[in-house]
Amino acid sequence: ETGVTQSPTHLIKTRGQQVTLRCSSQSGHNTVSWYQQALGQGPQFIFQYYREEENGRGNFPPRFSGLQFPNYSSELNVNALELDDSALYLCASSTLLGTGGADTQYFGPGTRLTVL
Amino acid sequence: AQSVTQLGSHVSVSEGALVLLRCNYSSSVPPYLFWYVQYPNQGLQLLLKYTSAATLVKGINGFEAEFKKSETSFHLTKPSAHMSDAAEYFCAVSPTGNQFYFGTGTSLTVIP
Repeated sequence: ETGVTQSPTHLIKTRGQQVTLRCSSQSGHNTVSWYQQALGQGPQFIFQYYREEENGRGNFPPRFSGLQFPNYSSELNVNALELDDSALYLCASSTLLGTGGADTQYFGPGTRLTVL
Repeated sequence: AQSVTQLGSHVSVSEGALVLLRCNYSSSVPPYLFWYVQYPNQGLQLLLKYTSAATLVKGINGFEAEFKKSETSFHLTKPSAHMSDAAEYFCAVSPTGNQFYFGTGTSLTVIP
């Protein structure tokens, strides 16, 4: 069983640029969630994708956008980067239960984004 | 609104001593509750989860947590700390099962 992978591991950008982060879900999972973890903080929920549709969004501006592909891999796009966007970005995959209930989210190692 | 409060951003225990990490939650509905551990430069690993079955939940590596509705708490314990337990621990609540709210974390130091 392949775990959740993310690329790249580290990235340095400048203010105003755009960035794309990638995530490959664990085999058999149909749901991907993205989180932002600032230094010394807990992860903050950005959004979740289920079967290629957004299925919930946290308190993040529209310049944070995402995609989920038919193979359930996902991208997080951030436009007009700001200094405060510097953080560890975590991807988590899971299986959304149709009957409700919380399935376990399996996290990738994250992408460390630095905005200068 | 859902939120999670972890009391004590840093906890130090001696090797072999009891580990107690505190978590209180607020939720408008009976939530799902989780504890995750994060080692340096790694993602989060699930320790255990509460999903309205038994109130005492056993997890990996000897950790367990007890759901107390009257206290809105879900504290994490381990009878005997090991050096390898040193890490950052996060409590999370999910009211619906898909959107997770994490606490700010507790850094556990184990003193030899």
